[in-house]
Amino acid sequence: GESVGLHLPTLSVQEGDNSIINCAYSNSASDYFIWYKQESGKGPQFIIDIRSNMDKRQGQRVTVLLNKTVKHLSLQIAATQPGDSAVYFCAENIDTGGGNKLTFGTGTQLKVEL
Amino acid sequence: DVKVTQSSRYLVKRTGEKVFLECVQDMDHENMFWYRQDPGLGLRLIYFSYDVKMKEKGDIPEGYSVSREKKERFSLILESASTNQTSMYLCASSLEWGDTEAFFGQGTRLTVV
Repeated sequence: GESVGLHLPTLSVQEGDNSIINCAYSNSASDYFIWYKQESGKGPQFIIDIRSNMDKRQGQRVTVLLNKTVKHLSLQIAATQPGDSAVYFCAENIDTGGGNKLTFGTGTQLKVEL
Repeated sequence: DVKVTQSSRYLVKRTGEKVFLECVQDMDHENMFWYRQDPGLGLRLIYFSYDVKMKEKGDIPEGYSVSREKKERFSLILESASTNQTSMYLCASSLEWGDTEAFFGQGTRLTVV
């Protein structure tokens, strides 16, 4: 079946280092790929998206890379801060013809060490 | 700010009960979603809706139904609750077709005993 996200369950980085969170997907019909951040006790929050016909998109301190050849997505966080500690989910948006299906991967726990 | 409100933060129900989880959004969003979140499994899509009275099955619809009689409200129904439906349930909404930014509620922790 379709799937999004083959994550490492936990990633630990030192404060100030760059973080790279990876995700694999299997559905080539996705219109967009998206990254969400979930802090403890809260619902997921949108970070950044990338259209399926793009390779790279940059936001504030974050960069998303899309490699369609190997069906791989990554989120890079520059100068990781303690406030970046959270679970990160990649997600895909698929136009079903009747609506937009938004499905999530299993998530990666990012721990920032001081 | 967009606000997505789920009616209960914690809920305990008995096996076999009919359970209603309510979700209301206040920003006139067209799309609404119900997910369940379990450790190690991420968020799994149960149902979604792109308009009033419209619904589509997600990846795990079995044992659930939904209702969207008004644009702002999307209800998840467990017809006969079972212990394997113990989970965190998250509702979300997004503005319109093609919008990738979904706004989530705080979640409802449902325990079925």
